[in-house]
Order: sequence, then structure tokens, then C-alpha cells
Amino acid sequence: EPEVTQTPSHQVTQMGQEVILRCVPISNHLYFYWYRQILGQKVEFLVSFYNNEISEKSEIFDDQFSVERPDGSNFTLKIRSTKLEDSAMYFCASSEDDGYMNTEAFFGQGTRLTVV
Amino acid sequence: DQQVKQNSPSLSVQEGRISILNCDYTNSMFDYFLWYKKYPAEGPTFLISISSIKDKNEDGRFTVFLNKSAKHLSLHIVPSQPGDSAVYFCAASAGNQFYFGTGTSLTVIP
Repeated sequence: EPEVTQTPSHQVTQMGQEVILRCVPISNHLYFYWYRQILGQKVEFLVSFYNNEISEKSEIFDDQFSVERPDGSNFTLKIRSTKLEDSAMYFCASSEDDGYMNTEAFFGQGTRLTVV
Repeated sequence: DQQVKQNSPSLSVQEGRISILNCDYTNSMFDYFLWYKKYPAEGPTFLISISSIKDKNEDGRFTVFLNKSAKHLSLHIVPSQPGDSAVYFCAASAGNQFYFGTGTSLTVIP
């Protein structure tokens, strides 16, 4: 069964360092997302991406964040200068466009980012 | 501003009984609702969905009910099994952004 894969599963980084979280969405999907979940808190939307550009982003997704689809398969989230409060589980998701905008998103297993 | 709310952080149910998880939303533009199940250290897994043109969708032991006038949806699991123990997230979408509730941790007691 097709699945969204994320690497690494756990990333530890020093405050101020740049990190890149990687995702391989399901191959025929057209919409890509990043979500995060700080421990004990809700799953929060960061950004959605379609047709090689950001379609929506939340207030969390500030200038420190960027997304890219560098090739036909990968979708990355970059955090330029990590802060302690960036420590969270980051989930990548993808969905197909069924023409009616009603379709579920499939999530990866997540990358646990720990900023020390 | 939390547009999707799950007011019960946890729920315990005896095996074989019905589990009812509730979710409320505030945005009348939401037209698609989903339930996700999440185990520790894993990503959310899609469980069941319902379009705003329906009021009920059933898939095996799982049924989702939608009350648009009350802006409320619920997930029924009948009968509950120990393997159903997980965190359940309600989500809603209008377009291509999914809004999640804070989750309800379900424990099914054998």
C-alpha cells in the first residue's frame, strides 16, 4: 500500500542550526502538507503546497520556514535557524485531488525534532 | 482561534461497549470532516470521513455522524476493542487545509 515516508525519524540539532526534514509523498498525490505537534498539544497546520508553490500557510510558518519540492518525489521542510520551541513532531502529508477537494490526507510517521 | 474542538481529552470504555468520541467546529465553511487515529510515535492514520452533504457514514465498526445545524460530529465505535486504544483526532477541511482538534485519548479496557 502506498505510504508517505519521512526521514529522519528523529533529529537532534543545536539551537540556531538549520535543519531539513524530508518527505516522500505518495506518488500520484498533488497536494502536500506539513503539520507539527508539540508534545501534549494539538496537531497544527504549517503549510500546504500545490503546483510547486505554497497554497496556504499558517502564522506559525514564518520566514524561518521554507518548503521545497526539489525533484519529482521529495518534499522538504527547512527551518533556517532553529529555536527551542521548534521542538516537536513534524508530520508530512499528501492528498490527491479528486476534483471536488474532498479527499483525505495521508500522513507520514513523523520526524521528531529536538532542539537543544 | 481553535476552529475544531474536542472537549474530552480522554475516554475509557469497556471492551465490547460503544465508544463515542465528540467533536465541535465553528466554521460553517467546512465541508469535509475526517477522523484520524494516532498511536504513539506514529503519524495520524485516516479512519473515516464524511462530506457535509451527508449526516452519517458507516464503515464496519466505525460510524461518523454529522449534525450541521449544531456544528457537531461524533465517531461511534461498536463494539470497542482493546486495539482501538489510541488518540483520535477530528479534522475538518474547507479547501486544502485540514484543521485538527486536540485529540481524545481512548482506552478500551479488556
